[in-house]
Amino acid sequence: RKEVEQDPGPFNVPEGATVAFNCTYSNSASQSFFWYRQDCRKEPKLLMSVYSSGNEDGRFTAQLNRASQYISLLIRDSKLSDSATYLCVVNGLGPGANNLFFGTGTRLTVIP
Amino acid sequence: DTGVSQNPRHKITKRGQNVTFRCDPISEHNRLYWYRQTLGQGPEFLTYFQNEAQLEKSRLLSDRFSAERPKGSFSTLEIQRTEQGDSAMYLCASSLGTGPGEPQHFGDGTRLSIL
Repeated sequence: RKEVEQDPGPFNVPEGATVAFNCTYSNSASQSFFWYRQDCRKEPKLLMSVYSSGNEDGRFTAQLNRASQYISLLIRDSKLSDSATYLCVVNGLGPGANNLFFGTGTRLTVIP
Repeated sequence: DTGVSQNPRHKITKRGQNVTFRCDPISEHNRLYWYRQTLGQGPEFLTYFQNEAQLEKSRLLSDRFSAERPKGSFSTLEIQRTEQGDSAMYLCASSLGTGPGEPQHFGDGTRLSIL
């Protein structure tokens, strides 16, 4: 089983729509969770960390459900510039606690 | 530019040749990571350094791969006797080193194509 599983999409949504992505992770003891954004043929960039209580950054809201080992990202009022691949990321365990495991990414296209 | 720097950006080589990539991390970061990414996949962890010490290596890192960080600053990743399956984007990332599972900052990557 992969450490992180995501729906690869693609999600095609109109400008202004609200869209949600989910992912699940396999290691119940993982402590660090992130969403990264990756544009085509570019490097991944940190979008936001995900905290247990949930957190918001402008139009972006991240949620963590430890019991279900589930992470979500909600994007409100989608912009054309939000078109990208969104990577769900968790850290490893034990000696691998400094390693990050990436999902395959969910591709979003925002349509005018 | 004070971000993570990688070079070359692109490398095209024939199967069987050796290649070496360089990564310069953000200057105050003491952890440095190498990842590999193929089309349609997320980055896959290869190895990481805390200062000059290589602390972990993935099973993906066959004995044809070697990484060094001799002075705890820049790092090199060498692939010997390249194979078709080595074609990928090789990404370097760095982090402060203040705790487990902290955010990592990526360079632009080196895209390797094996002919």
